[in-house]
Amino acid sequence: EIVVTQSPATLSVSPGERATLSCRASQSVSSNLAWYQQKPGQAPRLLIYGASTRATGIPARFSGSGSGTEFTLTISSLQSEDFAVYYCQQYNNWPPYTFGQGTKLEIK
Amino acid sequence: QVQLVESGGGLVKPGGSLRLSCAASGFTLSDYYMSWIRQAPGKGLEWVLYISSSGTTIYYADSVKGRFTISRDNAKNSLYLQMNSLRAEDTAVYYCAREIVLMGFDPWGQGTLVTVSS
Repeated sequence: EIVVTQSPATLSVSPGERATLSCRASQSVSSNLAWYQQKPGQAPRLLIYGASTRATGIPARFSGSGSGTEFTLTISSLQSEDFAVYYCQQYNNWPPYTFGQGTKLEIK
Repeated sequence: QVQLVESGGGLVKPGGSLRLSCAASGFTLSDYYMSWIRQAPGKGLEWVLYISSSGTTIYYADSVKGRFTISRDNAKNSLYLQMNSLRAEDTAVYYCAREIVLMGFDPWGQGTLVTVSS
């Protein structure tokens, strides 16, 4: 099973600033990695797939990069609605599909 | 509008059973692979079950193998999760999600809460 580890667990950033979230896989997942955003009381929403492709309707301030075992989600200029929990998920070697434990992005 | 709506959650005693449903609209369920994913209170996401578009291939997480079953009725555009021998650690919000090949899960339903407690 591929273990996916996210860091940091909590990230405090001021509105308008850049946020950088990390995701690491225990073995190569090529570019088969997705990022999701989850707000309190809501279902996760797909943001990024293929490590770097934005899903339909996702603003350009969200970008993903990386391949192999190291991945990054960057939010270029944080808006109030971006404060949420973010999860990465690998779909290269499955079953099982595996998720990171999440990074909570909070207002500084 | 592509949408998934779960139902059937509730309070059940340890050892009991529950059946969840997931109704799809805005797309043809038979064209897609589907999964159930759960989230324990205050915790992260855990994939639990997958079913192929035809229903012939099913994968289980080790944590639910032998207790949970996934099925689909493409004619009704619906997905199901039969949960038996429930344990306290099965307490979670259960989401159904459509899998887009090489894209991940999109969309997700709003989730239904299952609480296993005496």
